[in-house]
Amino acid sequence: ETGVTQTPRHLVMGMTNKKSLKCEQHLGHNAMYWYKQSAKKPLELMFVYNFKEQTENNSVPSRFSPECPNSSHLFLHLHTLQPEDSALYLCASSQVTGGNTGELFFGEGSRLTVL
Amino acid sequence: GESVGLHLPTLSVQEGDNSIINCAYSNSASDYFIWYKQESGKGPQFIIDIRSNMDKRQGQRVTVLLNKTVKHLSLQIAATQPGDSAVYFCAENYRPDGQNFVFGPGTRLSVLP
Repeated sequence: ETGVTQTPRHLVMGMTNKKSLKCEQHLGHNAMYWYKQSAKKPLELMFVYNFKEQTENNSVPSRFSPECPNSSHLFLHLHTLQPEDSALYLCASSQVTGGNTGELFFGEGSRLTVL
Repeated sequence: GESVGLHLPTLSVQEGDNSIINCAYSNSASDYFIWYKQESGKGPQFIIDIRSNMDKRQGQRVTVLLNKTVKHLSLQIAATQPGDSAVYFCAENYRPDGQNFVFGPGTRLSVLP
């Protein structure tokens, strides 16, 4: 298994659909992240979870709803998205010790297209 | 009209030459920096990192230089190979929130045969 696995790799959805992105990390890390990578902006942090608790919500619209059931799994639930939400959604994990983080390990991303 | 996408700076180098990719970071309080490589269709991959108590760090074929005075970071790739073609991002660990990495827009490196 690769370090950080994301599914699905590609997703096409209508604006009224509900779908979820899944991320699993096999590195034993205690922090997980969602990043958005679009054609118009650099990588943007969306959410941070430490030990399953959300510690950051970077002003993300409520149509994106994260869930972290344990320190190895992270979901991003999608509901009534807009075409401008089409992007590559990247999951990452890291080991946080004493408030300091190590490097981020990224998955391959889920390419989302909203019609 | 509105830009349809980021216009990434592009660096083209001949195979075998050295490459230097530059990055300006924003926060003088950032104390940890990482260079990532992203190939088409893949997630960003760690290349090398450096903490603010250092000004140079070397890896295999790569060197990162940090100039805190002017908030500048550079990545040097020795003997550039076709497999080095990718987009390169710098990331700063933004203090005081130790988990917020802020990424630069990226530089596309093209290696010419």
